[in-house]
Amino acid sequence: AQSVTQLDSQVPVFEEAPVELRCNYSSSVSVYLFWYVQYPNQGLQLLLKYLSGSTLVESINGFEAEFNKSQTSFHLRKPSVHISDTAEYFCAVAGSTDKLIFGTGTRLQVFP
Amino acid sequence: GAGVSQSPRYKVAKRGQDVALRCDPISGHVSLFWYQQALGQGPEFLTYFQNEAQLDKSGLPSDRFFAERPEGSVSTLKIQRTQQEDSAVYLCASSADVQETQYFGPGTRLLVL
Repeated sequence: AQSVTQLDSQVPVFEEAPVELRCNYSSSVSVYLFWYVQYPNQGLQLLLKYLSGSTLVESINGFEAEFNKSQTSFHLRKPSVHISDTAEYFCAVAGSTDKLIFGTGTRLQVFP
Repeated sequence: GAGVSQSPRYKVAKRGQDVALRCDPISGHVSLFWYQQALGQGPEFLTYFQNEAQLDKSGLPSDRFFAERPEGSVSTLKIQRTQQEDSAVYLCASSADVQETQYFGPGTRLLVL
């Protein structure tokens, strides 16, 4: 069975500071890894994904995540956050089937 | 183009009432998923369709939950004899094909009183 752990339920940070949102997964098979973002009163949007190839993946708005197989992690990072990054972030894993297994989410709150 | 749409956006039901939630996927998308998101939790998988075939319904919490996609496009999630624990946001997602990106709708927020 697969599972995802997001240890931090909330991460407060000041604007322009760096941030890391942690995600660890467990799986007995090869996995695909995802980060989804949910802005207030909006639906889930794909932020970035790892399917294969380069272990470092990037989004168009400055976020990046690195797949670390030995540590079973897929942490999300951004070197300098904006107020507009305030949202709920969900890490998810998919295996041989397409269904996504989500973590419980991390609320990123960016303060001015 | 239009994304995934869901209706109604909000539904209040009395305990014991039946409800039907609708999902319109992105046109041409083969795969369709239903997830349930309880307050403060991540979405949890309910069921999956490939075209009109329901390939996985392992996440449906009880036999009161039923989903269909008869023509391989629009899908309906039906909950019979609703209970308070059914209160959640029900999310629909579609993808162009197997192992393609899932695009989520805005969800239907169900409150059972």
